[in-house]
Amino acid sequence: AQSVTQLGSHVSVSEGALVLLRCNYSSSVPPYLFWYVQYPNQGLQLLLKYTSAATLVKGINGFEAEFKKSETSFHLTKPSAHMSDAAEYFCAVSEPGGYNKLIFGAGTRLAVHP
Amino acid sequence: EAGVVQSPRYKIIEKKQPVAFWCNPISGHNTLYWYLQNLGQGPELLIRYENEEAVDDSQLPKDRFSAERLKGVDSTLKIQPAELGDSAVYLCASSSPVGTQYFGPGTRLTVL
Repeated sequence: AQSVTQLGSHVSVSEGALVLLRCNYSSSVPPYLFWYVQYPNQGLQLLLKYTSAATLVKGINGFEAEFKKSETSFHLTKPSAHMSDAAEYFCAVSEPGGYNKLIFGAGTRLAVHP
Repeated sequence: EAGVVQSPRYKIIEKKQPVAFWCNPISGHNTLYWYLQNLGQGPELLIRYENEEAVDDSQLPKDRFSAERLKGVDSTLKIQPAELGDSAVYLCASSSPVGTQYFGPGTRLTVL
């Protein structure tokens, strides 16, 4: 069965610092991978997705993620944090072509301080 | 383009009472999902519809939960009777058949 592990339920960075949110997946076949962001009292918004094309995926708001099959990882990064990046971030996995069956990680809450 | 609409946004009820949540998906999206999000956790799929047919309801607790999507557009999720453990956020999402899922703002349910 597929699963997602997000290391670190809370991450705190200074404004302007590198953001690194970790995601590891477990899947018998190379999956599709997604990062969603959730701002307080809002639904989830897609940041980026990997669907077996380029391993380095660029998303909205300056975020990007790299698919590393050997490490079964799909970590999310942003070179310089902004106060507006403070939110909850969820990594999700699905079977190839299976956009419909998303398995989410527990989430990482990102705090950005001045 | 309007996003996924959910109502109500917040609901407080006493245990053993019934409650219903409503979702209007993005226009043209045939696939509709209901998710449960407990505090501090990621969303978990409850049920998925393709048009008016429930194609995956394996995670829906059928003793107290029910859902419908009669005309293949709007959907309603019902809990009867509600229990304390049902306190959570209920998210609705929609997509085209093989497309990205777009989420609504959710309904936060508190059961007292």
